Amino acid sequence: SQKIEQNSEALNIQEGKTATLTCNYTNYSPAYLQWYRQDPGRGPVFLLLIRENEKEKRKERLKVTFDTTLKQSLFHITASQPADSATYLCALGSGGYQKVTFGIGTKLQVIP
Amino acid sequence: GAVVSQHPSRVICKSGTSVKIECRSLDFQATTMFWYRQFPKQSLMLMATSNEGSKATYEQGVEKDKFLINHASLTLSTLTVTSAHPEDSSFYICSANEGGGTTDTQYFGPGTRLTVL
Repeated sequence: SQKIEQNSEALNIQEGKTATLTCNYTNYSPAYLQWYRQDPGRGPVFLLLIRENEKEKRKERLKVTFDTTLKQSLFHITASQPADSATYLCALGSGGYQKVTFGIGTKLQVIP
Repeated sequence: GAVVSQHPSRVICKSGTSVKIECRSLDFQATTMFWYRQFPKQSLMLMATSNEGSKATYEQGVEKDKFLINHASLTLSTLTVTSAHPEDSSFYICSANEGGGTTDTQYFGPGTRLTVL
């Protein structure tokens, strides 16, 4: 069955450092992968989408890589700030308006 | 940007009552909306896909007679939890695709916290 793995343990990082979160998947050939931010008691907020034919995507301090051979995506936040503290979800989709499947998320804590 | 709202944000009800949750796309038309449920420390689980003007498509294990979905217009979908029980207590979140294009981005509502006593 399809499986998405994110490190469910919290990631603590010092302010100013680069945070790297991992999303691995098995038994899936996604057309695209997305990263979302979720704050406690709130709905997810879309951050970045990367397609299967793209290796890397950047948006301001965010960078996402997508390796379909390794079946892995890395999500980087450079120059991390305490305001970046949240749970980050990866989601895989097959294209169009079809459903996406979410990972459990990784909680990031940026320490001042 | 695309905005999705949900109402109410929080509801507490007695066991056996029905609860309706509204999901609205405020500045775009959404042919398709999705309903998710999220239990504490768990991932978002898709419950159903709501299509405007047609019946919803439910995921395996989700009772369609218990979770009634109505997508009456391009900007509104409702989820009714019928005869709610304590095990239905959860965080319910809707999302919508910005229609008319090929975007794969879903815009999520702020969620509704349901507590059944």
